[in-house]
Amino acid sequence: KAGVTQTPRYLIKTRGQQVTLSCSPISGHRSVSWYQQTPGQGLQFLFEYFSETQRNKGNFPGRFSGRQFSNSRSEMNVSTLELGDSALYLCASSPLSGTYNEQFFGPGTRLTVL
Amino acid sequence: SQELEQSPQSLIVQEGKNLTINCTSSKTLYGLYWYKQKYGEGLIFLMMLQKGGEEKSHEKITAKLDEKKQQSSLHITASQPSHAGIYLCGADGSGAQKLVFGQGTRLTINP
Repeated sequence: KAGVTQTPRYLIKTRGQQVTLSCSPISGHRSVSWYQQTPGQGLQFLFEYFSETQRNKGNFPGRFSGRQFSNSRSEMNVSTLELGDSALYLCASSPLSGTYNEQFFGPGTRLTVL
Repeated sequence: SQELEQSPQSLIVQEGKNLTINCTSSKTLYGLYWYKQKYGEGLIFLMMLQKGGEEKSHEKITAKLDEKKQQSSLHITASQPSHAGIYLCGADGSGAQKLVFGQGTRLTINP
């Protein structure tokens, strides 16, 4: 079974731009969660999508948004980028919502904002 | 909101030595997850603990959950270079926080 894939793996943007990151879950998984990891704040939950609906959302500003398609692939978008948005963005998929012991993580997308 | 504190933040041990990483919660733990992350990569699920006093082992890694102390420990026996990485504990958050994580413990194994 193919694992969780994220594209692109690396991205460099400038302040004020917007960015879209993509996550393809494991086949058959319907839940996709997104996380932001920074040296200062650690790993923080962004949001979770299940069956194309946002199930949960972390404490992030509205500049962070996401969506899920009918094939369970998910995208997250960050608008008006700030320097502090530089981070490793991880997505994770699981068969159902909240099944963390069956949650598989992708390799992440490293975003650098200049 | 629930917070998880890990100690130590970093650890350097000689190959073959035992080590312990702790994870302390600000609230009662109903489920605790341990993950391993190689630098700059995704997380690998190690173990889940749900019941007070529960202990699980996988190869040379043992995790315990002490509900009374709101703490979990991860113990590695006879460490190997393959154990190097960042270990994170995670727990079900309250409210909107689906899963909260500790800051992580960076483990280095010296040959």
